[in-house]
Amino acid sequence: KAGVTQTPRYLIKTRGQQVTLSCSPISGHRSVSWYQQTPGQGLQFLFEYFSETQRNKGNFPGRFSGRQFSNSRSEMNVSTLELGDSALYLCASSPPGLAGGYNEQFFGPGTRLTVL
Amino acid sequence: GIQVEQSPPDLILQEGANSTLRCNFSDSVNNLQWFHQNPWGQLINLFYIPSGTKQNGRLSATTVATERYSLLYISSSQTTDSGVYFCAVSTSGTYKYIFGTGTRLKVLA
Repeated sequence: KAGVTQTPRYLIKTRGQQVTLSCSPISGHRSVSWYQQTPGQGLQFLFEYFSETQRNKGNFPGRFSGRQFSNSRSEMNVSTLELGDSALYLCASSPPGLAGGYNEQFFGPGTRLTVL
Repeated sequence: GIQVEQSPPDLILQEGANSTLRCNFSDSVNNLQWFHQNPWGQLINLFYIPSGTKQNGRLSATTVATERYSLLYISSSQTTDSGVYFCAVSTSGTYKYIFGTGTRLKVLA
């Protein structure tokens, strides 16, 4: 079974631009989560989607948004990029648990975003 | 919200040595995972262990949920074990994992 895939793997943008990152979960997984990793803040939760519904959102400004499609693929968008948005963005998928519950996560290789 | 603390923050070992990494958490959890992050940033699943003990080769883990801690044991360490080890927990109904700050392990040949 193929793992979680993320595209693109590397991205360079300039301040003020916007960016869209894509994540394809493991086949059969319906929960997709996004995390931001920076040297200063560590790994921080962005949002989680299940069956096209956002079930939780982390403490990030409204410039960060996401969505999930009917095939469980997910995208996240960052508008009006700032230098501080430079980070590794990680996507994870989780298999169905009891009553749509949440359990083990499997991570993709990440998208490394550099904002100049 | 729940706090996750990992210790030690840094660890340097000679090849062949054993080590214990600790993860303390401040509230009851229903999910707990240990990861190894390789130099390219990939998070590799080591254990999904909300309670009990598991072993996988030279690695083993124990979670004592009632006392809110988990331990990761690495025996006969190898240089390929180098990297950052993260503990992550999730509480019921939150649909998110909270990560610790990690333990950076360096194994010397």
